[in-house]
Amino acid sequence: DQQVKQNSPSLSVQEGRISILNCDYTNSMFDYFLWYKKYPAEGPTFLISISSIKDKNEDGRFTVFLNKSAKHLSLHIVPSQPGDSAVYFCAARANPTSGTYKYIFGTGTRLKVLA
Amino acid sequence: KAGVTQTPRYLIKTRGQQVTLSCSPISGHRSVSWYQQTPGQGLQFLFEYFSETQRNKGNFPGRFSGRQFSNSRSEMNVSTLELGDSALYLCASSPGQFNQPQHFGDGTRLSIL
Repeated sequence: DQQVKQNSPSLSVQEGRISILNCDYTNSMFDYFLWYKKYPAEGPTFLISISSIKDKNEDGRFTVFLNKSAKHLSLHIVPSQPGDSAVYFCAARANPTSGTYKYIFGTGTRLKVLA
Repeated sequence: KAGVTQTPRYLIKTRGQQVTLSCSPISGHRSVSWYQQTPGQGLQFLFEYFSETQRNKGNFPGRFSGRQFSNSRSEMNVSTLELGDSALYLCASSPGQFNQPQHFGDGTRLSIL
């Protein structure tokens, strides 16, 4: 049962344009969401997070949007740069009061930014 | 500030052998989680340790085990290796408190022949 889904395995975007990566989740107990970027032969790098009490969080070129009613989050990268080409994972964690502390990851979306 | 360190980076074993992987978390982090990454499967959660206690466990067979020491360093052991255990094994650490991200090491690439 895949509780966190990234339905687009890949995405190509022109340099300078906006990249939008999407993620859907099924567990209503999730209250903390994260995005990671992964280059080949390296571990995932934390990008940005959002808690369920917010619907938007920005950090430089990266913005994460959370739509709790739709159980959907997205990562916007503006403007996209060739160095952003990587695999992006979304992750979610339930409130620890539920007894679980584990993070559930999606299967990733490969972003390619074309120069 | 030093990041998460995993050793070794690469490992080749044969079926039936056992292996131990090591993870040193970021200084001050008390939570260590282990993940298996295979092509197309994302990051599959193995287990999480906090202050030497396993707090959560994923859906992996008992051949996969782990432990955490008093200095928060962690080891993962896989016994009776199978071909399907070939994967990238990632370790992540966090302070362990609410709403704080995990930070990953670069992983150990395990190949089973």
